[in-house]
Amino acid sequence: DAEITQSPRHKITETGRQVTLACHQTWNHNNMFWYRQDLGHGLRLIHYSYGVHDTNKGEVSDGYSVSRSNTEDLPLTLESAASSQTSVYFCASSELGTGGLNEQFFGPGTRLTVL
Amino acid sequence: QKEVEQNSGPLSVPEGAIASLNCTYSDRGSQSFFWYRQYSGKSPELIMFIYSNGDKEDGRFTAQLNKASQYVSLLIRDSQPSDSATYLCAVKAGAQKLVFGQGTRLTINP
Repeated sequence: DAEITQSPRHKITETGRQVTLACHQTWNHNNMFWYRQDLGHGLRLIHYSYGVHDTNKGEVSDGYSVSRSNTEDLPLTLESAASSQTSVYFCASSELGTGGLNEQFFGPGTRLTVL
Repeated sequence: QKEVEQNSGPLSVPEGAIASLNCTYSDRGSQSFFWYRQYSGKSPELIMFIYSNGDKEDGRFTAQLNKASQYVSLLIRDSQPSDSATYLCAVKAGAQKLVFGQGTRLTINP
């Protein structure tokens, strides 16, 4: 069955370190998204990609970067981790389907703690 | 003003009653609307989508859309304890992005 996976599921790091969160999907979807979820804020879009070599900034992109070298993967990098980046991170993918449905499928999430 | 707004709750409903969840959005040109359910510690999953004004029913769930008033709602009939979760409203923004509300935490009391 097609799926979307994230690794690691839990990560504790220190302020100033570079951290990379992995996202891998086997849906063969062109669209991939990274969100962070914090209490009271719902899901906020960090970066997204509509295909290989395409990346775009979302509403909370400062301090994060992504690259898309193939269809399956969109790793998220925190260049210099800050305590404000402590959050739960979700990766999602989608494809424009029949009738315009644009359902996003979510990975299981990564809980990141920055000390 | 946030693009998509929901009452964060918690909303407490007795078992068997109707739970009503509401969402308002700011972009009058929005065309597609989604309701996701998220159990504690889990990832969001799509339960309903609606494009046209009016009601759309799927089992115990009914989505209602009023574009003139810029709100979308989700009704859950015969609420069950298993419906206890956070419900996220999402609006399609741009080509294929979604903008999410902050979510409403729903608790169904046996």
